[in-house]
Amino acid sequence: SQKIEQNSEALNIQEGKTATLTCNYTNYSPAYLQWYRQDPGRGPVFLLLIRENEKEKRKERLKVTFDTTLKQSLFHITASQPADSATYLCALDEDNYGQNFVFGPGTRLSVLP
Amino acid sequence: NAGVTQTPKFQVLKTGQSMTLQCAQDMNHEYMSWYRQDPGMGLRLIHYSVGAGITDQGEVPNGYNVSRSTTEDFPLRLLSAAPSQTSVYFCASTPGQASNQPQHFGDGTRLSIL
Repeated sequence: SQKIEQNSEALNIQEGKTATLTCNYTNYSPAYLQWYRQDPGRGPVFLLLIRENEKEKRKERLKVTFDTTLKQSLFHITASQPADSATYLCALDEDNYGQNFVFGPGTRLSVLP
Repeated sequence: NAGVTQTPKFQVLKTGQSMTLQCAQDMNHEYMSWYRQDPGMGLRLIHYSVGAGITDQGEVPNGYNVSRSTTEDFPLRLLSAAPSQTSVYFCASTPGQASNQPQHFGDGTRLSIL
């Protein structure tokens, strides 16, 4: 079956450390992979997008990698802060037609002061 | 700009009742979609629309109807609510139909079916 998995439901890390979140997918061949942040009671907010031929994408303290051989994307937050505490979702376009987007279940990150 | 606006924010229904969840966007986006979010399952696509007058089914369309008479509005209708439809519903939009378009989400409607 086709699905997206994210490494763990919850992740606790100490402030200042690097948080690494994993997104694994099976039976898809996405041209792009997206990452979103979701705060409690709010809708997801887009963070970063990476293309299949990009190994790495950075935005401020955020870094995303995309390995199409492993069918995996890693999402890193460096120098993490308590304000980074949220649920992070990965998403891809199921058939690359821009119509059917599939989301992972999310990883709830807690950054402890 | 308000972005994507969903109403109501909360709703409680009895089994068998009908209701419409409203979604409006002011960004002139062509693509709009509805998702439901359940614990541990992620967002699942219910219906989507690539433009006014055009709608199609997503992964979990049963029990839901949609229409798209204008670019701005994309209401989701529950014809006969069932407890299995208890969920948080999100509407999203993107400028066009493309894999590299970030989706803009509303803040959701929390629906409980008793």
